[in-house]
Amino acid sequence: AAGVIQSPRHLIKEKRETATLKCYPIPRHDTVYWYQQGPGQDPQFLISFYEKMQSDKGSIPDRFSAQQFSDYHSELNMSSLELGDSALYFCASSFGDRITGTGANVLTFGAGSRLTVL
Amino acid sequence: EDKVVQSPLSLVVHEGDTVTLNCSYEVTNFRSLLWYKQEKKAPTFLFMLTSSGIEKKSGRLSSILDKKELFSILNITATQTGDSAIYLCAVKGSQGNLIFGKGTKLSVKP
Repeated sequence: AAGVIQSPRHLIKEKRETATLKCYPIPRHDTVYWYQQGPGQDPQFLISFYEKMQSDKGSIPDRFSAQQFSDYHSELNMSSLELGDSALYFCASSFGDRITGTGANVLTFGAGSRLTVL
Repeated sequence: EDKVVQSPLSLVVHEGDTVTLNCSYEVTNFRSLLWYKQEKKAPTFLFMLTSSGIEKKSGRLSSILDKKELFSILNITATQTGDSAIYLCAVKGSQGNLIFGKGTKLSVKP
């Protein structure tokens, strides 16, 4: 079965550079979530999209932006990178949570993109 | 502010032991509670709980939710070294995103 695909798997950047992470959700999933997990930390919610519109915003820095495209894939753009941005960035997808309104749909996570800022 | 608290933060046991991991929460508009296992990479889904008192079971793992007391437990019986991982509890609120606890790091020694 297809899973959530993230690219790149690893990325090394220098301070003040920009980076773009991509996420391809499970087919037919309409909701994408982005999480940031620092070393030894729990995943922190950044932002989510439902049907190509931003649905919720968490602790995403102003230097970051994201969008969901017509094919439901999403991209997280990070600018003016800082050392503290080094983390594992997870994308997760789910289907129809807003339709059912039950919260009964599982988020499936991708393998993550590891960003290292030097 | 929504929060999820897991305990203990770290646990070391021997193979064959039984462990109980705890998760308590305070979330506006609770919808569901999920347990994930995280080894080196992505969190992998274990259970989703939406109703109180109904045990979910998968092999040696089981979990139950108490919506009155706002907590859940994850039990692992006859632990194996392959159970060593971080176990994450997450609660889904009204927006559908997950709010994670800090996890319990389980180490199972041979």
